[in-house]
Amino acid sequence: GAVVSQHPSWVICKSGTSVKIECRSLDFQATTMFWYRQFPKQSLMLMATSNEGSKATYEQGVEKDKFLINHASLTLSTLTVTSAHPEDSSFYICSASLGQGALGYGYTFGSGTRLTVV
Amino acid sequence: QKEVEQDPGPLSVPEGAIVSLNCTYSNSAFQYFMWYRQYSRKGPELLMYTYSSGNKEDGRFTAQVDKSSKYISLFIRDSQPSDSATYLCAMNTGGFKTIFGAGTRLFVKA
Repeated sequence: GAVVSQHPSWVICKSGTSVKIECRSLDFQATTMFWYRQFPKQSLMLMATSNEGSKATYEQGVEKDKFLINHASLTLSTLTVTSAHPEDSSFYICSASLGQGALGYGYTFGSGTRLTVV
Repeated sequence: QKEVEQDPGPLSVPEGAIVSLNCTYSNSAFQYFMWYRQYSRKGPELLMYTYSSGNKEDGRFTAQVDKSSKYISLFIRDSQPSDSATYLCAMNTGGFKTIFGAGTRLFVKA
């Protein structure tokens, strides 16, 4: 089945540094990937939609310059948290759309990245 | 008012019980309804997918959609400790943006 690999699974960084999170579709091509943020006991919050070869579409309230998204190929999207601060600490999850068809708009999710900024 | 409302629980049941998980929504344009299971510190995995109203069954899982009431349900029969997880409902109007519920934490006791 469709697999999305996300790395790293957890990362601790110092305040002010940047962190890159990778999301790869392993056995299918994902023209569209999504980046979510999840706080404890809360729902997934869509941050941005990443389209291969074009600029990402950010949700209202998400800082484009802080959360840099690059989708350079059909199998790789990256999220870079720039100048991270403790309030950026969260669980970040990527997903890829399985497109139209039998599964419609179901998604395959990565395993998530736990970011802790100290 | 949130577009999708889901009781966060936690819901604790004994092994073998029938579990009922529910979500309500306000946007009548939603057409695609999904249930995801999320284990701790992992990404969600798609469990069930339903288009429009009706029932869908897959093994021990049954998904129901009642568009007239804007209410969806997931039933788990013969619940097992391995079913302990957070269950998220999700909905989509047909575009790429999917709205997720907050998730219900389920504990199945052996």
